[in-house]
Amino acid sequence: AQSVTQLDSQVPVFEEAPVELRCNYSSSVSVYLFWYVQYPNQGLQLLLKYLSGSTLVKGINGFEAEFNKSQTSFHLRKPSVHISDTAEYFCAVVYNFNKFYFGSGTKLNVKP
Amino acid sequence: DAGVTQSPTHLIKTRGQQVTLRCSPKSGHDTVSWYQQALGQGPQFIFQYYEEEERQRGNFPDRFSGHQFPNYSSELNVNALLLGDSALYLCASTKTGVGFEAFFGQGTRLTVV
Repeated sequence: AQSVTQLDSQVPVFEEAPVELRCNYSSSVSVYLFWYVQYPNQGLQLLLKYLSGSTLVKGINGFEAEFNKSQTSFHLRKPSVHISDTAEYFCAVVYNFNKFYFGSGTKLNVKP
Repeated sequence: DAGVTQSPTHLIKTRGQQVTLRCSPKSGHDTVSWYQQALGQGPQFIFQYYEEEERQRGNFPDRFSGHQFPNYSSELNVNALLLGDSALYLCASTKTGVGFEAFFGQGTRLTVV
């Protein structure tokens, strides 16, 4: 069975500090991995995705993530956050026919 | 390109009623998936439509049904509404065979009272 675990439900951080949002997945087959961001009262916007190739993936807004197959992780990082990064972030896996399994989300709260 | 559009944006219904939500996929996309996002949770897969047929289904009761039209737009129908059906309903569209990237609409916020 596929599942996604986001270890932190909330992450408070000060502006310009680095941040890491953790994501672990379970799968017995190859998966494709995604991070989406959701601003209040909006849908989901794709930040980045890992399909194959380099395990370090760069996305929009300065975010990047590293796929670690041995640890079944896909942690999201940003070296310096801005107030505008305050949002909820969802990790997701998909392994067939574009059916996404989402984690429960991590709320990033960037403080001035 | 308008992206994925959903209507209505907000809806209030009474328990026991029926509701229909609508989704127009991104131009060029042929597959539509529906997700339910309850408050404080991640989106949960309801079902997926491709070539006007339900291709996959998540763990949702038969009260949840759908349809896809020849122009790839889709409807989600929920019968006999329960308070627990209150959620944000998201539609996602993809193009078969291209990159697994799903584009999401803004969602329909359904409140059952």
